Amino acid sequence: DIQVTQSPSTLSASVGDRVTITCRASQDTSSYINWYQQKPGQAPKLLIYAASSLQSGVPSRFSGSGSGAYFTLIINTVQPEDFATYYCQQTYVIPRTFGQGTKLEIK
Amino acid sequence: QVHLQQWGAGLLKPSETLSLTCGVNGGPLTGYYWSWIRQPPGKSLEWIGEINHSGVTNYNPSLKSRVTISEDTSKNQFSLKVKYVTAADTAVYYCARGVSRLDYWGQGTLVTVSS
Repeated sequence: DIQVTQSPSTLSASVGDRVTITCRASQDTSSYINWYQQKPGQAPKLLIYAASSLQSGVPSRFSGSGSGAYFTLIINTVQPEDFATYYCQQTYVIPRTFGQGTKLEIK
Repeated sequence: QVHLQQWGAGLLKPSETLSLTCGVNGGPLTGYYWSWIRQPPGKSLEWIGEINHSGVTNYNPSLKSRVTISEDTSKNQFSLKVKYVTAADTAVYYCARGVSRLDYWGQGTLVTVSS
């Protein structure tokens, strides 16, 4: 299995900050990395697919980059509705594994 | 707009079979892959498996011996069965559309396994 490790596990930020979440895979995943946002009691929501493509309807303050085994999710100018848990997922091989999550908290 | 509505029993005893169904509204079943994912309380997401409109399935090796995903194109729905459940199968179960990316999700069903 490809292990997917996110860092940090928890991130404290203020409204207006720029934050970066990283996702490291145990082997090359090409660009088969997605990013999801999950709020308590809700299903995950797709933000970024194929490492850097913005899903339709997602605000442009979200961006993704990376290739191979190292990827980042950046939120420019964090908004109050962005405080949530973020997950990366590799879909390069089966099983299609998720990271352990990064909780973005209000500072 | 595609909408996934899922249903099934939420309380099971150990050794019983978990059975969930996901109905696809606002779009076709054919032409897409459909997936099941679960999330134990307070934990991360675990991919269970997927099926395409031709009935081809892929499963997580850790669950493969107990899991069956099937589809009913006439009803525009797909289903998940997990045999011989234990407390470790307690989780919120989600259905979703896609394989390379999961762009539409069901609302989630909490399944609790308890004697």
